[in-house]
Amino acid sequence: AQSVTQPDIHITVSEGASLELRCNYSYGATPYLFWYVQSPGQGLQLLLKYFSGDTLVQGIKGFEAEFKRSQSSFNLRKPSVHWSDAAEYFCAVVISNFGNEKLTFGTGTRLTIIP
Amino acid sequence: DAGVTQSPTHLIKTRGQHVTLRCSPISGHKSVSWYQQVLGQGPQFIFQYYEKEERGRGNFPDRFSARQFPNYSSELNVNALLLGDSALYLCASSLGVPNPEAFFGQGTRLTVV
Repeated sequence: AQSVTQPDIHITVSEGASLELRCNYSYGATPYLFWYVQSPGQGLQLLLKYFSGDTLVQGIKGFEAEFKRSQSSFNLRKPSVHWSDAAEYFCAVVISNFGNEKLTFGTGTRLTIIP
Repeated sequence: DAGVTQSPTHLIKTRGQHVTLRCSPISGHKSVSWYQQVLGQGPQFIFQYYEKEERGRGNFPDRFSARQFPNYSSELNVNALLLGDSALYLCASSLGVPNPEAFFGQGTRLTVV
């Protein structure tokens, strides 16, 4: 069965420090790949996506992610975090079968920012 | 442009009751999906509809049903509510494959007591 793994449940970083959130998936083919961010009690906001082409993708709020086929990974990075980045981050994939666009999510990584 | 809108935002129901949640997609989006997010977990896929046809169904009991209307809005129905159905229910819309980029609404917080 398809699965998405986010090995870090909770990460704490200092404001201004760099950030990397890890994501691995288990599929035979390259899926569509996404990162979403969720503030408490809110819906999900799309940060960035990878469909094909350049494996380094840029997103909103200064985030970027790199797709590595050999490692089945799609890690999210930001060079300098801001206090407003504190939130829950979800990696997700879509394997489109006959138009089915089911998103499979990881369990999420909660990001805490300290002054 | 309006994003994905869901109603109501909050709802409290009693065990055994029925609930209907509503979703209006972004204008031009023909695909609507529903997800359940239990506290502390990632969203779980419930249904996907595209142009009124069911394209996918997650591992949920038959108490859960949905439909999509000609204007592409959608309803999620849950019968015989259980305490375990308490969750944030998220609706997402997209243009559809080959562009499955999903945009989410703010969700409906359902509490079953």
